[in-house]
Amino acid sequence: DVKVTQSSRYLVKRTGEKVFLECVQDMDHENMFWYRQDPGLGLRLIYFSYDVKMKEKGDIPEGYSVSREKKERFSLILESASTNQTSMYLCASSSRTGGGQPQHFGDGTRLSIL
Amino acid sequence: RKEVEQDPGPFNVPEGATVAFNCTYSNSASQSFFWYRQDCRKEPKLLMSVYSSGNEDGRFTAQLNRASQYISLLIRDSKLSDSATYLCVVKNLYGGATNKLIFGTGTLLAVQP
Repeated sequence: DVKVTQSSRYLVKRTGEKVFLECVQDMDHENMFWYRQDPGLGLRLIYFSYDVKMKEKGDIPEGYSVSREKKERFSLILESASTNQTSMYLCASSSRTGGGQPQHFGDGTRLSIL
Repeated sequence: RKEVEQDPGPFNVPEGATVAFNCTYSNSASQSFFWYRQDCRKEPKLLMSVYSSGNEDGRFTAQLNRASQYISLLIRDSKLSDSATYLCVVKNLYGGATNKLIFGTGTLLAVQP
């Protein structure tokens, strides 16, 4: 089974702090993704990466950055956390092979910015 | 207009009922289609892929109509454990080999005893 592990289930940080969310997958997947999920808005793509050191902006990249130094690890960084970044953050990974590969998600990190 | 649209529900149905969810997508070039299931406060999990010919997995049947850009999920003989949010998901090609998933906001199903 694919295993996608996010470092924290719940996290509370203060406005202005730099926040790191870590994600690790164990299936040698090329593609990794960061989403946030908010009520009524569904999942929205923040950033994704299709290879080590490669990154692409998703639909809502503002206020975020990412790092992919190793294939198995994809980090999401909130440079200066703000209250509107309180959300559920979900990491996912998928294989590049074929067109119909689904994404596998981690358990999610519920982040609260005070 | 959202790229993937679903009725948010909630759908409240009795055990044993048959329930159908519908979804429309706006990008005619979309390549792959899925239904994901998400339990409360949990991550989305793949329920099934959706193929043009229609496909079935036990009590679940998925249909795709490319001409109408319409996807459906039918659940027969509903169980209490089917209560969850069902996400309609479309995959669009984003330059090169990476495909981008577009998620609907989900349809909430509550199966009542």
